[in-house]
Amino acid sequence: EIVMTQSPATLSVSPGERATLSCRASQSVSSNLAWYQQKSGQAPRLLIYDASTRATGIPARFSGSGSGTEFTLTISSLQSEDFAVYYCQQYDNWPPLTFGGGTKVEIK
Amino acid sequence: QVQLVESGGGVVQPGRSLRLSCAASGFTFSFYGMNWVRQAPGKGLEWVAVIWSDGGKKYYADSVKGRFTISRDNSKNTVYLQMDGLRVEDTAVYYCARWGISAAVVSLDYWGQGTLVTVST
Repeated sequence: EIVMTQSPATLSVSPGERATLSCRASQSVSSNLAWYQQKSGQAPRLLIYDASTRATGIPARFSGSGSGTEFTLTISSLQSEDFAVYYCQQYDNWPPLTFGGGTKVEIK
Repeated sequence: QVQLVESGGGVVQPGRSLRLSCAASGFTFSFYGMNWVRQAPGKGLEWVAVIWSDGGKKYYADSVKGRFTISRDNSKNTVYLQMDGLRVEDTAVYYCARWGISAAVVSLDYWGQGTLVTVST
């Protein structure tokens, strides 16, 4: 099973600043990686797939990069609605689909 | 618009059974694989099971294998999760999620609002 590790666990950012979230895979997942956003009390929402492709309706301030074992989600200028928990998920070698433990982006 | 609506959650004693349903609308259900993903209180996401669009293949997380069964009825646009032998550690919000984008991209593009399952004495 591929283990996904996200860092940091919590990221404190001021509105308008850039946020950089990391996700590491225990073995190469090529570019078979997705990112999700989950706001409190809500279901997750797909942001990025194939490591860098934005899902339908996702603003351009969200961008994904990386391949192999190291991935990054960047939010270029944080808006109030972006404060949430973010998860990465691999689909290179499955089942099982595996998620990272999440990064909480909070207001500084 | 795409909608996924889960139902069937509740409080159940350890060892008992529960069946969750997820009713889909707004897309051609029979074209898409479907998943169940759960989230224990205050914890992260855990994939539970997947079923292919035609129901021909099913896979499970090791934590539920042999106890949970995923199925679907394409005539009713509904996917199910039969949960037997429930344990306290199965307590979670259970989401159904569509395997969208493409067959090669196993990302989950639409999610339901979730249904809470509590296993407790």
